[in-house]
Amino acid sequence: DAGVIQSPRHEVTEMGQEVTLRCKPISGHDYLFWYRQTMMRGLELLIYFNNNVPIDDSGMPEDRFSAKMPNASFSTLKIQPSEPRDSAVYFCASSTVTLGGETQYFGPGTRLLVL
Amino acid sequence: TQLLEQSPQFLSIQEGENLTVYCNSSSVFSSLQWYRQEPGEGPVLLVTVVTGGEVKKLKRLTFQFGDARKDSSLHITAAQPGDTGLYLCAGLDNYGQNFVFGPGTRLSVLP
Repeated sequence: DAGVIQSPRHEVTEMGQEVTLRCKPISGHDYLFWYRQTMMRGLELLIYFNNNVPIDDSGMPEDRFSAKMPNASFSTLKIQPSEPRDSAVYFCASSTVTLGGETQYFGPGTRLLVL
Repeated sequence: TQLLEQSPQFLSIQEGENLTVYCNSSSVFSSLQWYRQEPGEGPVLLVTVVTGGEVKKLKRLTFQFGDARKDSSLHITAAQPGDTGLYLCAGLDNYGQNFVFGPGTRLSVLP
């Protein structure tokens, strides 16, 4: 199994630009999670999906952030417009069970730098 | 808001030493997980504990969930350089709605 796949691995953009992060979960996993990690705030859950449906987006910081899961094998996290404070590592994770369960697998992350 | 605190924040030890890191909260959690994260990679789940007082062992790692389900500890015996990394605890509240990570303990094991 290839594990959770994220792209791009690194993204450098200028303030105001749109950024789209992509994730392919592990096949057969019904849950998909987006996280953000910074030195100041640590690892934060942004949003998660169950069977492609958003369940809880209370962690999404602002309306500039949006996430979609058009099918079971693909999800995007979009930031528009991006700001320097959005610079962070964004992780996608997938699981067969919901939060706190045994099998949450993380991708390698996308390191985003907004100048 | 549920909050998890971890201590120590940083720990540097010599190979072969034992160590314990802690995860504490004033809130009760229905489950608590420990992860290890290496530079440039995502966290990797080590263990999930769900029962107060539960102890789980994973080779040289021993995990304990407090009786009141508010705290947890991770003990490593005879640490090795391969144990180096960021150790994160994460907890799910009793309602199954809030999932939070602690800030982590950054461990460095020197050969």
